[in-house]
Amino acid sequence: DVQLVESGGGLVKPGGSLRLSCVTSGFAFNRYSMNWVRQAPGKGLEWVSSSSSSGSYIYYADSVKGRFTISRDNTKHSLYLQMKSLRVEDTAVYYCVRDLGELDAYWGQGTLVTVSS
Amino acid sequence: QTVVTQEPSFSVSPGGTVTLTCGLTSDSVSPNYYPSWYQQTPGQAPRTLIYSTKIRSSGVPDRFSGSILGNKAALTITGAQADDESDYYCALYVGAGIWVFGGGTKVTVL
Repeated sequence: DVQLVESGGGLVKPGGSLRLSCVTSGFAFNRYSMNWVRQAPGKGLEWVSSSSSSGSYIYYADSVKGRFTISRDNTKHSLYLQMKSLRVEDTAVYYCVRDLGELDAYWGQGTLVTVSS
Repeated sequence: QTVVTQEPSFSVSPGGTVTLTCGLTSDSVSPNYYPSWYQQTPGQAPRTLIYSTKIRSSGVPDRFSGSILGNKAALTITGAQADDESDYYCALYVGAGIWVFGGGTKVTVL
């Protein structure tokens, strides 16, 4: 079975940093693009960032560009999101997602990031 | 800035049919946008229903179908059931590696 398990969320002050991890299993991780998608409390889904299967092509939403860095370790079947200069509006559940649109997307259960003083 | 539009809410009777749409303010939606649809119930992670316009995800009942209707992507629920009451989101690939989600449609079955 395909599994994606996020971790690393928590409470952080504005301006702080946090690193999210997503450990995957049940599929050939190095063959799939991966994404981070977030959902603020009571709001809709927002695509954050994506990485190609090799990590050579990386994309960001304008709202996080310059502050967030996506990376992956294909030997560990893992995806990461380094978040810096966090803002209150970054408060959300962050989902790790295999693929979007072109192929069948698989979602993790999410990890909550709360940015508050 | 690309905006993906969805109806805020829809109500459908049990056994009825409802069609949700997913549009662009700046263009017509085509299969080149790889429209996909996701279902989410409160407190749960989204679940993929449809990808690449009309391909059903594994395990999704065939009462869910995807298509292009006019200039929008569409998700049709035929024979709605009580547990179809959820939020539904579409996503479109708008190029340059960027994906955009619609604001979501809340479907009530009553």
